[in-house]
Amino acid sequence: ETGVTQTPRHLVMGMTNKKSLKCEQHLGHNAMYWYKQSAKKPLELMFVYNFKEQTENNSVPSRFSPECPNSSHLFLHLHTLQPEDSALYLCASSPTAESTDTQYFGPGTRLTVL
Amino acid sequence: GQNIDQPTEMTATEGAIVQINCTYQTSGFNGLFWYQQHAGEAPTFLSYNVLDGLEEKGRFSSFLSRSKGYSYLLLKELQMKDSASYLCAVDNYGQNFVFGPGTRLSVLP
Repeated sequence: ETGVTQTPRHLVMGMTNKKSLKCEQHLGHNAMYWYKQSAKKPLELMFVYNFKEQTENNSVPSRFSPECPNSSHLFLHLHTLQPEDSALYLCASSPTAESTDTQYFGPGTRLTVL
Repeated sequence: GQNIDQPTEMTATEGAIVQINCTYQTSGFNGLFWYQQHAGEAPTFLSYNVLDGLEEKGRFSSFLSRSKGYSYLLLKELQMKDSASYLCAVDNYGQNFVFGPGTRLSVLP
């Protein structure tokens, strides 16, 4: 068990749908992250939250909307996605948002946009 | 700009030793992480190097040369379960991690 859980594990959605990805960490960490992992591409950092405050948004399109209601939960709201958004979406957490802190990853949500 | 290079794929035999290289050119550098990722699973932490030199942790060792912008992960006594992707990631000061493309290692019997 990694201590970071993500639901759902698999999601298929149409371009007009609205869905949400959920991440929960049981490690007592204060920083949480969303990453996108596309086939044959490096992991791409999307958002960073530190103590529930968003500290980084790496030029992510507005069709991805993060929400962090508390330090243990992180959501990624999806709407009007494109087929090229199909990827593995990974959540991670770390004790703080210091770049020296080891990040612990969840199992990911495999998203397919039709 | 940020540029991190790793070989795309490597193949080795069970019981052998393999070295996975990572070269980087980043705007900042605080340290370098190695992660292991089995197919369909989350990346898991292997090592973090800040200072030059070799750090050994069981069958896995990681080396860093800051002056050369170079790191490698050394896997000894390879086992079938070591078949996975290995990701190097640069700790880029306040810009968090920049991940390399990953190296897919296949261990053959």
